[in-house]
Amino acid sequence: DGGITQSPKYLFRKEGQNVTLSCEQNLNHDAMYWYRQDPGQGLRLIYYSQIVNDFQKGDIAEGYSVSREKKESFPLTVTSAQKNPTAFYLCASSTTGWNIEKLFFGSGTQLSVL
Amino acid sequence: AQSVTQLGSHVSVSEGALVLLRCNYSSSVPPYLFWYVQYPNQGLQLLLKYTSAATLVKGINGFEAEFKKSETSFHLTKPSAHMSDAAEYFCAAGGSNYKLTFGKGTLLTVNP
Repeated sequence: DGGITQSPKYLFRKEGQNVTLSCEQNLNHDAMYWYRQDPGQGLRLIYYSQIVNDFQKGDIAEGYSVSREKKESFPLTVTSAQKNPTAFYLCASSTTGWNIEKLFFGSGTQLSVL
Repeated sequence: AQSVTQLGSHVSVSEGALVLLRCNYSSSVPPYLFWYVQYPNQGLQLLLKYTSAATLVKGINGFEAEFKKSETSFHLTKPSAHMSDAAEYFCAAGGSNYKLTFGKGTLLTVNP
């Protein structure tokens, strides 16, 4: 079955540490997105990528970095510059960068600070 | 800039009662509008979407929503709540670009 796989499901970060969240899709989608979810805050866009080797900042990109070396993969690195990283992170994909009508979500990664 | 307001962060209903979750958007141009459902520690699933076709949109699990341009609203309803409907619901809006703007969510509790 096609879908989006996020790993790990739970992740812990120590002070000053960078951590990377994995997102893989086998839907052959061009566009991929990272959202951050905080309780009572809804979802906020961190980064998005419409095509391989290209990505753009969303609303809250500071303290995060991404890469898009392969169509099926869009890893998110939470750097030590992100002072409040504890949140639920959701990866999503769609057929094209403009096709928000069909947005598929992964099951998320909960990141916590030790 | 697009904004989405969900009235009520928590709604509690009895099983079998009407479910009404409210969503208002701000935009000078009718956007695409969506309702998503999220179960604990899961991603979001699309319930239904409005894309400028019929104003009354039917979705999965018996949910429907009506687009009212004059009220800039897109409220979600279900005639009879089921225990399995307990979840968090998000309204979202998007224009002719990549970006979806989400509301802050409404947690639905269904009491037996």
